[in-house]
Amino acid sequence: DAKTTQPNSMESNEEEPVHLPCNHSTISGTDYIHWYRQLPSQGPEYVIHGLTSNVNNRMASLAIAEDRKSSTLILHRATLRDAAVYYCILRLLQGAQKLVFGQGTRLTINP
Amino acid sequence: GAVVSQHPSWVICKSGTSVKIECRSLDFQATTMFWYRQFPKQSLMLMATSNEGSKATYEQGVEKDKFLINHASLTLSTLTVTSAHPEDSSFYICSARGWGIEAFFGQGTRLTVV
Repeated sequence: DAKTTQPNSMESNEEEPVHLPCNHSTISGTDYIHWYRQLPSQGPEYVIHGLTSNVNNRMASLAIAEDRKSSTLILHRATLRDAAVYYCILRLLQGAQKLVFGQGTRLTINP
Repeated sequence: GAVVSQHPSWVICKSGTSVKIECRSLDFQATTMFWYRQFPKQSLMLMATSNEGSKATYEQGVEKDKFLINHASLTLSTLTVTSAHPEDSSFYICSARGWGIEAFFGQGTRLTVV
């Protein structure tokens, strides 16, 4: 499984944008980039996914580098409820298509 | 997003007994389900993958005779922890995928073995 690298932790202020980076230099052409987040004592929540083009949804935006070796999850206006561990995961579009979690980034939002 | 429900949310059992955890996809058909385990302050560890009607595929190091997985229908998978011991105490999370790309997760089950 291709590996992702994320900072262990990040901190931001409420109502400010947050950019969460993810490096995936060994990504293959058929790997989708997925982002999930997990609040304490809950299961992960789907945030967004993409393959090559930038993606937007109601929760966040995903900016994918042209060479696809890195991506950035963008929370446009952070709220206290966005404090969570954010996981960047590569999913091969073949076989079991399982999601293998790394250590993620613990995001703290300051009021 | 789609809803995946786990039951129970938490369970306490005595050492040596077995515990069953259910995972249901409420509004979609789950062709594939995944079971994870998470220890405090650690990431999720994939235990096994199951497809409806087939035997589960276990990750390396996961004892298939201890963690019995059944995926008998397109909306239900169960994980049975057999002869549970205190070291099996953990947060167990299921995930389900239908015909789409994204997978959805249950709320997790906290198992405490005393």
